[in-house]
Amino acid sequence: AQSVTQPDIHITVSEGASLELRCNYSYGATPYLFWYVQSPGQGLQLLLKYFSGDTLVQGIKGFEAEFKRSQSSFNLRKPSVHWSDAAEYFCAVGVEFGNEKLTFGTGTRLTIIP
Amino acid sequence: DAGVIQSPRHEVTEMGQEVTLRCKPISGHNSLFWYRQTMMRGLELLIYFNNNVPIDDSGMPEDRFSAKMPNASFSTLKIQPSEPRDSAVYFCASSRAGTPYNEQFFGPGTRLTVL
Repeated sequence: AQSVTQPDIHITVSEGASLELRCNYSYGATPYLFWYVQSPGQGLQLLLKYFSGDTLVQGIKGFEAEFKRSQSSFNLRKPSVHWSDAAEYFCAVGVEFGNEKLTFGTGTRLTIIP
Repeated sequence: DAGVIQSPRHEVTEMGQEVTLRCKPISGHNSLFWYRQTMMRGLELLIYFNNNVPIDDSGMPEDRFSAKMPNASFSTLKIQPSEPRDSAVYFCASSRAGTPYNEQFFGPGTRLTVL
């Protein structure tokens, strides 16, 4: 079965600094990969997704992610964070064509300091 | 356009009581998902429907949980009897089923507390 690992439970960065959130997956083939963001008290919102093609994917709010098959990773990046980026970030994987089930990682909480 | 609507937003009940959570998906979406979020287990898919038919219910924890989707605009998740370990935030999400995965739009969640 597929699995997703987000090794960082909590990350703190300064406003304006760059950000990288790590995501590793376990699956025998190339999965479908997603990053979602959850602001406090809210549901999740899709930031970006990767299905195939260009391994560098652009998303909303200035985020991007890079798929690296050799490392089984799909890390999320942003060159300069804003205070409004403080939230919880979830990586997710889908593997089965015709089944829309997603498996989510445990999340990374991002804190922004002035 | 209205997003996914969930009710109630908060529910506090006593152990043994029946709890019903409600969800109205986005109009035109034909897939609906129920998730549970806890600190211990993270975000888990309980069940999802496509065109009102349950497709994958492998995440439903036990017989105390049941979900229905009588029509394209309404779904319920019922817990009977409820237990303290059911305390969690329950999310409903909907999507326009496509190939291979379309964005799931999440509701604001229902925070359930079972005393």
